[in-house]
Amino acid sequence: RKEVEQDPGPFNVPEGATVAFNCTYSNSASQSFFWYRQDCRKEPKLLMSVYSSGNEDGRFTAQLNRASQYISLLIRDSKLSDSATYLCVVNTGSNSGYALNFGKGTSLLVTP
Amino acid sequence: NAGVMQNPRHLVRRRGQEARLRCSPMKGHSHVYWYRQLPEEGLKFMVYLQKENIIDESGMPKERFSAEFPKEGPSILRIQQVVRGDSAAYFCASSPPTGYEQYFGPGTRLTVT
Repeated sequence: RKEVEQDPGPFNVPEGATVAFNCTYSNSASQSFFWYRQDCRKEPKLLMSVYSSGNEDGRFTAQLNRASQYISLLIRDSKLSDSATYLCVVNTGSNSGYALNFGKGTSLLVTP
Repeated sequence: NAGVMQNPRHLVRRRGQEARLRCSPMKGHSHVYWYRQLPEEGLKFMVYLQKENIIDESGMPKERFSAEFPKEGPSILRIQQVVRGDSAAYFCASSPPTGYEQYFGPGTRLTVT
C-alpha cells in the first residue's frame, strides 16, 4: 500500500465550479500535513498546511480526519489559474520526522 | 527575500560521469532537503541536512549518491558514475529551524545520455 494515495484525476471543471480532492495516508504516526500545487515542469509550491481543526485560506479549505487518516482540499469558485496538479503531502514519521511523503498528485483543469 | 536557489537548472551527463547539483537555502533557513522526481512519479525524499550534518539519509540510494551541506557555501548533491535511471528532476527544499513547512527551489533536470 502506498503511503499517500490520491485520485490521479484528471478533474475537468468549468470556471466557477467547486471541486474537492481527497487523500489517504497510511502512517498513523504522521504529524504534519500539507497541500502543495505543482505546475507542469515546475517546483511544488506550498498551498497550505492542514490542521486538525480544519483551515481556510480564501477559496481553499482543507480538512483532516486523523481517525480515518484522510485529508481533503476544497476549492470554491475555480479560476483558470487553478489548473495544476495538487499534491497531498504528509511527513513520514521517519528518523527525523521532517522528511515529506508526496502523493502522486491530482490533476485539475479548469476550463472557460 | 530570495527563494531557494538551485543550479544548474539543466544538466546533461554521459553514462559514467559525475553530476554535482547545488542548492542555496532561503535566507534564514538552516535545514535543507533533497527530493527526486522521476518521470510520471511523485517526489521521493532523499536526504535531510543541516550545516555540516546529515540528519536523515533514509531515502538515499546506497551507492553512488552523497550529499553535504558545508559550513560555508551551498548544499551539494553528488551522483557518481551516473546511469540512465538517474535521469530525473532533483528538487531542493529548505525550512527554518522551527517548523515543518518546506519551500522548494526550481529544480535541476538531469539527463543522462
